[in-house]
Amino acid sequence: AQSVAQPEDQVNVAEGNPLTVKCTYSVSGNPYLFWYVQYPNRGLQFLLKYITGDNLVKGSYGFEAEFNKSQTSFHLKKPSALVSDSALYFCAVRDDTGGFKTIFGAGTRLFVKA
Amino acid sequence: ETGVTQSPTHLIKTRGQQVTLRCSSQSGHNTVSWYQQALGQGPQFIFQYYREEENGRGNFPPRFSGLQFPNYSSELNVNALELDDSALYLCASSLAGTGAYNEQFFGPGTRLTVL
Repeated sequence: AQSVAQPEDQVNVAEGNPLTVKCTYSVSGNPYLFWYVQYPNRGLQFLLKYITGDNLVKGSYGFEAEFNKSQTSFHLKKPSALVSDSALYFCAVRDDTGGFKTIFGAGTRLFVKA
Repeated sequence: ETGVTQSPTHLIKTRGQQVTLRCSSQSGHNTVSWYQQALGQGPQFIFQYYREEENGRGNFPPRFSGLQFPNYSSELNVNALELDDSALYLCASSLAGTGAYNEQFFGPGTRLTVL
């Protein structure tokens, strides 16, 4: 079965510093990977996706993610963190085996300190 | 272009009761998915509807059922509510097609409390 793992419950970073939120995946076929962000009392918002092509994917709000097939990882990155980036981040994988579903990780809470 | 809306915002029910949650998809979207998000956890996939047919289901019992209507609005019905059903229920719509892996647009959710 497809799955994603976010090994860090929380990531702390100072404003202006680069940030990385980690995600590893397990799929039986081609990986279709997504990152979403959730702000307090709001639904999830799409950041970026990897379907095929370049391993470095650029998304919303200056975020990017690096797809690494050999390490089965899809880490979310941003060169310079903002306090407003503080939120809950979810990695997700599309699973098309036996029907269509999206599997989410448990989430990583990002705190950006001023 | 209107976003995904859900109603009600909050709901309190007692164990054993039935509940219906509603979602209005983003204009032009033909697919809707429902998720259960317990406190401190990631969204858990319940099921997906495409053109009014269920085409994917997660590990949820049959007392969780759904409908998608021709205007792409949808319902999530939960029978015989249990305390563990207390969660935020999220609806997400997307545009599906052959070979398309499009992102989902989420509604703000319905907070269900079962007492």
